[in-house]
Amino acid sequence: SQQGEEDPQALSIQEGENATMNCSYKTSINNLQWYRQNSGRGLVHLILIRSNEREKHSGRLRVTLDTSKKSSSLLITASRAADTASYFCATDFYNQGGKLIFGQGTELSVKP
Amino acid sequence: SAVISQKPSRDICQRGTSLTIQCQVDSQVTMMFWYRQQPGQSLTLIATANQGSEATYESGFVIDKFPISRPNLTFSTLTVSNMSPEDSSIYLCSSRQGAYTEAFFGQGTRLTVV
Repeated sequence: SQQGEEDPQALSIQEGENATMNCSYKTSINNLQWYRQNSGRGLVHLILIRSNEREKHSGRLRVTLDTSKKSSSLLITASRAADTASYFCATDFYNQGGKLIFGQGTELSVKP
Repeated sequence: SAVISQKPSRDICQRGTSLTIQCQVDSQVTMMFWYRQQPGQSLTLIATANQGSEATYESGFVIDKFPISRPNLTFSTLTVSNMSPEDSSIYLCSSRQGAYTEAFFGQGTRLTVV
């Protein structure tokens, strides 16, 4: 299966702490995207990082990509209770007609 | 970014019936997709909705069960046919302006089959 693997499956932290989630994949990608999902609702796009990029930032979010290890990480700094959600990575492989393959997700709980 | 309106947002249906889910994008998009998210699981792609032609289905999904229409570049429908409790899931519509671009999602349709 091409599906990415994420870890941890669940993460519980206190407000103000940092949260790190990891995503691994098996074959070469054009880009990798991170999404947030609140309580089984729609997905919100967070960051897209291309295979020739190593790091991207957006506000309190930092995404890294290591193509040699076929892995990516999402760091949320100074977490807030509102960050409580499920986070998914999605890989965009070459020549797949635009299909995204989603990882299993990390369920983040930020306690006030 | 695209804004996607999906409806209904939720429904409870009797087994054996069918439900059609609508997806409207606020701008013309090249690609539209339908995903299923079973309880506590990740997203699985059902099919790519092709404008003016038959949808392209992923392994395990068939047109008779999940007929899809895409009459233009902003609208698509997914029908879940002859429903059973195993079809209880969240169904999500997604759009992209092309491969290797950001994908955007509707708010999902939470379907419960009783």
